[in-house]
Amino acid sequence: GAVVSQHPSWVICKSGTSVKIECRSLDFQATTMFWYRQFPKQSLMLMATSNEGSKATYEQGVEKDKFLINHASLTLSTLTVTSAHPEDSSFYICSARDGQTNYGYTFGSGTRLTVV
Amino acid sequence: SQQGEEDPQALSIQEGENATMNCSYKTSINNLQWYRQNSGRGLVHLILIRSNEREKHSGRLRVTLDTSKKSSSLLITASRAADTASYFCATDSGGSYIPTFGRGTSLIVHP
Repeated sequence: GAVVSQHPSWVICKSGTSVKIECRSLDFQATTMFWYRQFPKQSLMLMATSNEGSKATYEQGVEKDKFLINHASLTLSTLTVTSAHPEDSSFYICSARDGQTNYGYTFGSGTRLTVV
Repeated sequence: SQQGEEDPQALSIQEGENATMNCSYKTSINNLQWYRQNSGRGLVHLILIRSNEREKHSGRLRVTLDTSKKSSSLLITASRAADTASYFCATDSGGSYIPTFGRGTSLIVHP
């Protein structure tokens, strides 16, 4: 089945630094990828939709300059948290849609970001 | 904005018992999906049910959909300790097939 690889699985960084999270579709091409954020014991909140070769579409309230998304190929999307602050600490999960169907969503294993 | 809301928020049962979780939503949907998430991990897709379907089975899982009540249920039969996880429903509607998640049900199965 479709597999999405997300790295790193966890990262600790200092305030003010930037962190890049990668999301790769391993055995399918993903024209669209999604980035979610999840606070403890909360639901997944969609942050942005990443489209290969074009600008990402951000959800209301998500700062596009803070959460930079790049989807340069059909198998890779990256989320960069710029100038991270403790309030950015969260669990970030990517999801990719298998282009073979409209309904196949596969999720990465998530990245636990802790900003100290 | 959140579309699906799971009920109960937490469920604690003994191994071998059945676990039933419910999901209610507000607007008409295209599809409803159930996902499982182990603590601190990504989501695993369990079942997708389309708006014109009423029931689906997958192993020990049974999902029902009642579009008149805008609700769905996930039944896990003969639960196992390994079923301990959070379960989320996600809906998509209109022209967007991006799933919107509820807050989830935390299931604990005691051995």
